[in-house]
Amino acid sequence: QIVLTQSPALMSASPGEKVTMTCSASSSVSYMYWYQQKPRSSPKPWIYLTSNLASGVPARFSGSGSGTSYSLTISSMEAEDAATYYCQQWSSNPPTFGGGTKLEIK
Amino acid sequence: DVQLQESGPGLVKPSQSLSLTCTVTGYSITSDYAWNWIRQFPGNKLEWMGYISYSGSTSYNPSLKSRISITRDTSKNQFFLQLNSVTTEDTATYYCARSLFTTATYFDYWGQGTTLTVSS
Repeated sequence: QIVLTQSPALMSASPGEKVTMTCSASSSVSYMYWYQQKPRSSPKPWIYLTSNLASGVPARFSGSGSGTSYSLTISSMEAEDAATYYCQQWSSNPPTFGGGTKLEIK
Repeated sequence: DVQLQESGPGLVKPSQSLSLTCTVTGYSITSDYAWNWIRQFPGNKLEWMGYISYSGSTSYNPSLKSRISITRDTSKNQFFLQLNSVTTEDTATYYCARSLFTTATYFDYWGQGTTLTVSS
């Protein structure tokens, strides 16, 4: 199965700061998907097909990448963005998730 | 709007079987899509367990293949997870979720999750 490695595992950012987190795949994948999860809630679809924002996701978020290297970027950190972000692939079975990047606000 | 809601016993003893139900409202599970079970362990690792498609076909994670069964009741618009011979390592929050019935896709609707503890 394809292993997804997210880095960093934990990070903090000040309001207004640019944030970038990465997801590395053990084999090439066609697309990457991202979810946002806050405590006591289920994961929410956040970015689909590598770079498309899900409904309701602020435009300060963006996704990019190809092959084995993908990233999620926040152009200007806001307090509400504090959460854990997971990447996910389903280019091959079984679908797998990364271990998550926990983003905290400074 | 599509909504998924999990339900289950909360506590199961080791070596027993666990059974969970996902009730779907706002969309017929026989119209389209795959209907999945995903679990999140303490420590937050996410694992896809398997799905039942709109047509009734199933696909399972090889890591669980000998223990898992996903079935459905189309009259109630529900699908079910059965996991046999549980151990404490099956303690997790269990989610049901929808995905397109195709490759390279994702989970666009999730339930709120149900916590299952395996303990004697």
